Amino acid sequence: GQQVMQIPQYQHVQEGEDFTTYCNSSTTLSNIQWYKQRPGGHPVFLIQLVKSGEVKKQKRLTFQFGEAKKNSSLHITATQTTDVGTYFCAGPNTGNQFYFGTGTSLTVIP
Amino acid sequence: DGGITQSPKYLFRKEGQNVTLSCEQNLNHDAMYWYRQDPGQGLRLIYYSQIVNDFQKGDIAEGYSVSREKKESFPLTVTSAQKNPTAFYLCASTGTGTQPQHFGDGTRLSIL
Repeated sequence: GQQVMQIPQYQHVQEGEDFTTYCNSSTTLSNIQWYKQRPGGHPVFLIQLVKSGEVKKQKRLTFQFGEAKKNSSLHITATQTTDVGTYFCAGPNTGNQFYFGTGTSLTVIP
Repeated sequence: DGGITQSPKYLFRKEGQNVTLSCEQNLNHDAMYWYRQDPGQGLRLIYYSQIVNDFQKGDIAEGYSVSREKKESFPLTVTSAQKNPTAFYLCASTGTGTQPQHFGDGTRLSIL
């Protein structure tokens, strides 16, 4: 079946350092979405990318969608303690079944 | 205020018992989903429904059942056949299968 893998699984950074998580799908996705889940909470939608090679920015967060629409990345510049949580990529395949990535848990050390 | 409501927040199941988790949305969304999340893990799809009176199995449907009799409601039953039901259960909805998903606050299920 389809798999969406993220690396790393865990990341600890010092506050102010940068952070990147990578997402790889075994099949082409029609779009890629990123979600953030705070500890004890539910996933909250951050952004959606649709076009091959698309790059979007939200303040300190930069999102990229790969040319083949099978991979994506999220980069956070100068992390803050409010960035703590688990970041998931997700997307629908051509059959509209939704798949979530395995997630990257970010810890920011003050 | 539109959103998704899951209840109860916490649920305890006895051995051999079926329990039903409620999920209601007033977003007028066609598609609804149930996910299971184990501690420190990602989200695994249990069942999804793209339209009323229709639903499909996800990757881990065994031991679970659903119904979609109304657009607003997508209850999940955890049957006694599910031998390891302790997990965090999340319900989500979306307007179409490609749009972002909106999540409820989740239900934490434990075995007594």
